[in-house]
Amino acid sequence: EDQVTQSPEALRLQEGESSSLNCSYTVSGLRGLFWYRQDPGKGPEFLFTLYSAGEEKEKERLKATLTKKESFLHITAPKPEDSATYLCAVSSDSWGKLQFGAGTQVVVTP
Amino acid sequence: GAVVSQHPSWVICKSGTSVKIECRSLDFQATTMFWYRQFPKQSLMLMATSNEGSKATYEQGVEKDKFLINHASLTLSTLTVTSAHPEDSSFYICSARRGGHEQYFGPGTRLTVT
Repeated sequence: EDQVTQSPEALRLQEGESSSLNCSYTVSGLRGLFWYRQDPGKGPEFLFTLYSAGEEKEKERLKATLTKKESFLHITAPKPEDSATYLCAVSSDSWGKLQFGAGTQVVVTP
Repeated sequence: GAVVSQHPSWVICKSGTSVKIECRSLDFQATTMFWYRQFPKQSLMLMATSNEGSKATYEQGVEKDKFLINHASLTLSTLTVTSAHPEDSSFYICSARRGGHEQYFGPGTRLTVT
């Protein structure tokens, strides 16, 4: 069975203080690893898809990387508007079903 | 692109009644749609997978007779919570898959059963 573990559970950062979130996964046949951002009371917002080890993707202050066992989401010089819960998910079947981790709640203070 | 809407955004119903939630992909045709449930401070739990014109596939432990899913077209899926009870109160979120493996999520529906 696919397993996704995210750490830390919560992260409090000062504005401008860069940090990384971790997503460790166990899956039989990775078809994709996904990062989403979720604000309270809203649906997840798609950020990145990574397909193979060594792949990297960037979007504004966010950069996602992938190895054979884990993925990192790097937040560079975060701003208060980066405060959210960041969810990692993996897909291993042809239907595209996602197995989500528990998420990392990030709070960025001015 | 890749916008998914849900209606209603919140609903309050009495115990024993049924509630229908709509999920639409607004600017693309969805090969597959998914329904999730999310409890406070918890991650998303997949309830079912649906493809247009075929029966939904439910995850283990999800009652198919209680949570009826109809995938009427490539842009519309509905979830009906039948004979709702207070324990069905939750945040329900749908997602749509466009063709790759990415899923695009709706804004969610907050259901409260009194």
